[in-house]
Amino acid sequence: AQSVTQPDARVTVSEGASLQLRCKYSYSGTPYLFWYVQYPRQGLQLLLKYYSGDPVVQGVNGFEAEFSKSNSSFHLRKASVHWSDSAVYFCVLSLAGNTGKLIFGLGTTLQVQP
Amino acid sequence: EAAVTQSPRSKVAVTGGKVTLSCHQTNNHDYMYWYRQDTGHGLRLIHYSYVADSTEKGDIPDGYKASRPSQENFSLILELASLSQTAVYFCASTRQGESAETLYFGSGTRLTVL
Repeated sequence: AQSVTQPDARVTVSEGASLQLRCKYSYSGTPYLFWYVQYPRQGLQLLLKYYSGDPVVQGVNGFEAEFSKSNSSFHLRKASVHWSDSAVYFCVLSLAGNTGKLIFGLGTTLQVQP
Repeated sequence: EAAVTQSPRSKVAVTGGKVTLSCHQTNNHDYMYWYRQDTGHGLRLIHYSYVADSTEKGDIPDGYKASRPSQENFSLILELASLSQTAVYFCASTRQGESAETLYFGSGTRLTVL
């Protein structure tokens, strides 16, 4: 069965530090992978996406993610976090060819300390 | 920018009562979705719709009905609200044929059933 695992429910980092949020997926087909961010009292917004090609994809606000087929992973990274990055981050798997058929991870809450 | 508006922002309902959550989008999107967000479960798909006057069951449709009277409007109906339906509900939309990256989410409706 398809699934997405975000092993860290909460991550706390200091402002200016680097960040990695982990994501592992399980899917035998071609994965489309996304990271969404949810700021307090808001809906989800797309950060970045991976379909194919270069395994490192760039997103908004300095975020990037690296796809690894061998590790079934899609980790999110940022070189230097800002307090405004505090939010909940969701790794999402889309089953190829199924518009809107999304499988969400449980989310990782990021707290950036000043 | 795509706009998806949900109403109400929050609601308190009594067990056994009827609840209607509304969603309106102004982007001529064909696909609309209702998701439920619970702590420990991420987002789960309740109902979706490809076209006006037609709805489809998602992954957790039990206890919910949906209505798509027009392209712009998509409602979620709880005929007999139960305690277990306390959650945050998100509406989302996307254009026909687009992949998941173009999902636009509303800001959510926080429903509390007492």
